[in-house]
Amino acid sequence: GQQLNQSPQSMFIQEGEDVSMNCTSSSIFNTWLWYKQDPGEGPVLLIALYKAGELTSNGRLTAQFGITRKDSFLNISASIPSDVGIYFCAGPPSGYSTLTFGKGTMLLVSP
Amino acid sequence: NAGVTQTPKFQVLKTGQSMTLQCAQDMNHEYMSWYRQDPGMGLRLIHYSVGAGITDQGEVPNGYNVSRSTTEDFPLRLLSAAPSQTSVYFCASSYSMGSGNTIYFGEGSWLTVV
Repeated sequence: GQQLNQSPQSMFIQEGEDVSMNCTSSSIFNTWLWYKQDPGEGPVLLIALYKAGELTSNGRLTAQFGITRKDSFLNISASIPSDVGIYFCAGPPSGYSTLTFGKGTMLLVSP
Repeated sequence: NAGVTQTPKFQVLKTGQSMTLQCAQDMNHEYMSWYRQDPGMGLRLIHYSVGAGITDQGEVPNGYNVSRSTTEDFPLRLLSAAPSQTSVYFCASSYSMGSGNTIYFGEGSWLTVV
């Protein structure tokens, strides 16, 4: 099946630091989605990207759809303790209708 | 997570037992799906449905059955539970399967098979 490679696997940072994570694929994606999962909860959509080169923000979060359509990036600025969780990238590869998820980046923020 | 309800939240089964995880959504979504989440594996698609009466297999369908008799409900059945099915299960729904549609997840069902 299709695979998404998400990195880093985990991050432990200090409050106030900026965070960057990315997702790559060997296949072209039509849409890139970024989800956050809080402990004990289901994933919640943060940002959706629909075309190559698109840059979208949601508060302190900014995500970009790579121009090759094979990667996407998520940045979090000025991290706070409530940013703790697992961040997943996801998308339907071109020609597919179901979502493929990355394995997630676990973010821990120290106050 | 509003609109997608999963039950039970927690369940312990003995090997060989059967059970059904319930999922209901009140958003009139056509597309529903079940994922399992295991450490280091991310979310893997088990089964999905594009509408009432239509189901299809995902990435890891073995050991699970689904049905979609109504738009609202999409139960997941474990026919004969195995320890390998110990996982967290998430039901999800969206308006359609198109790439521009937001997928909403339930809060998860924690299943342990002993």
